[in-house]
Amino acid sequence: EVQLVESGGGLVQPGGSLRLSCGVSGFTVSASTMNWVRQAPGKGLEWISYMDSSGTIYYADSVKGRFTISRDNDKNSLALQMNGLRGEDAAVYYCAREKQVSLKKSTPMGESTYYYYFLDVWGRGTTVTVSS
Amino acid sequence: QSVVTQPPSASGAPGQRVTISCSGDSSNIRSNAVNWYQQFPGRAPKVLIFGDNQRPSGVPDRFSGSKSGTSAYLAINGLQSEDEADYYCSSWDDRQNGWVFGGGTKVTVL
Repeated sequence: EVQLVESGGGLVQPGGSLRLSCGVSGFTVSASTMNWVRQAPGKGLEWISYMDSSGTIYYADSVKGRFTISRDNDKNSLALQMNGLRGEDAAVYYCAREKQVSLKKSTPMGESTYYYYFLDVWGRGTTVTVSS
Repeated sequence: QSVVTQPPSASGAPGQRVTISCSGDSSNIRSNAVNWYQQFPGRAPKVLIFGDNQRPSGVPDRFSGSKSGTSAYLAINGLQSEDEADYYCSSWDDRQNGWVFGGGTKVTVL
């Protein structure tokens, strides 16, 4: 069964650090594109980090320089190291797998293949609280 | 503030049609496909529409997506009580090199 399980959340003081983990089962994290998405209490979804199979990494401006995404191929897991935590970082943190789907479509030029990407598997999330 | 905007709420009576709009710009919606996610309180989001208008298996065909220029739309036909949820549009943003999400639309069934 394909599953993601986040852990590591908790209460941390402003300026503190926390390391989140995302345990992966049913697929290989090193062969996949993974993302971290967070949701502050009562707010919408906010993407924060991306890592693909080649090791390309992206961060949202809101966390750049403070958060670090990584993976452990031996443990088949994903991690998010969070330093310099602020009140606005308080949220539920989800890890999510990014899926690629290819579809053939007829065009005036003939048949073309289109590639689509979306977050198809999500964990249940882990809660980070930042407070003194 | 999100670079992609959605109305905060939408509502309809059972059986009615509800449409949610999602407005972006040339770096996201115009250039890349739009995905829609459904989220119930306390639960993780679930993909409802990908590639502007494609439904994953298991998603009822009363959900449909469309796109025109820098705007995308999610339509729910034959609204049902179990459709009460938050709906988010999302697209890859070439300027930010990351996923952008709309602020979310809460759908209420009257």
